[in-house]
Amino acid sequence: DAKTTQPNSMESNEEEPVHLPCNHSTISGTDYIHWYRQLPSQGPEYVIHGLTSNVNNRMASLAIAEDRKSSTLILHRATLRDAAVYYCILRIVGAAGNKLTFGGGTRVLVKP
Amino acid sequence: NAGVTQTPKFQVLKTGQSMTLQCAQDMNHEYMSWYRQDPGMGLRLIHYSVGAGITDQGEVPNGYNVSRSTTEDFPLRLLSAAPSQTSVYFCASSYTTGLYNEQFFGPGTRLTVL
Repeated sequence: DAKTTQPNSMESNEEEPVHLPCNHSTISGTDYIHWYRQLPSQGPEYVIHGLTSNVNNRMASLAIAEDRKSSTLILHRATLRDAAVYYCILRIVGAAGNKLTFGGGTRVLVKP
Repeated sequence: NAGVTQTPKFQVLKTGQSMTLQCAQDMNHEYMSWYRQDPGMGLRLIHYSVGAGITDQGEVPNGYNVSRSTTEDFPLRLLSAAPSQTSVYFCASSYTTGLYNEQFFGPGTRLTVL
């Protein structure tokens, strides 16, 4: 499986932007980049996904490098409710069971 | 819609006991799956189903059985519980197997095997 690398943790102040980097240097042309987050004691929650172009939705923005070897999830104004572990995941053509391969993720701490 | 529901929320078993973790979704999703999450780790796929009557193994299937008799339900059976199966179990579903589809997760079942 293609591997992703994320920092273990990041801190942010409330109402400031948070930029979460993800490296995926072995990505292939058909792999989708997905982000999920997991709030404490809850199941993972979909955040956003993209293939080549930058994407925006109500939760976040996803900036994808031109060579697709890295991407950045942007939370525009962090709130205390955004404190969670954020997972960058590659969705791979032919992966058994359409599975999401979860790595360690980035634990985001939001300070009031 | 209730989304993905799981029961029970918590369960304690003794080694060798069997039990079934229930998962249901009301979104008419074709694809359902089971993951386990051990402390401080990401999720690992146990079994999955791409439609009623079709199931297959994920990366950690040993000790677990599944069946998919209806679109809505995807129970996970522990045949003979072992302490190594102490974990949090999440059920997930998505509309299809497409790589662009988001997966919806249930709230999880926290299982302890003594």
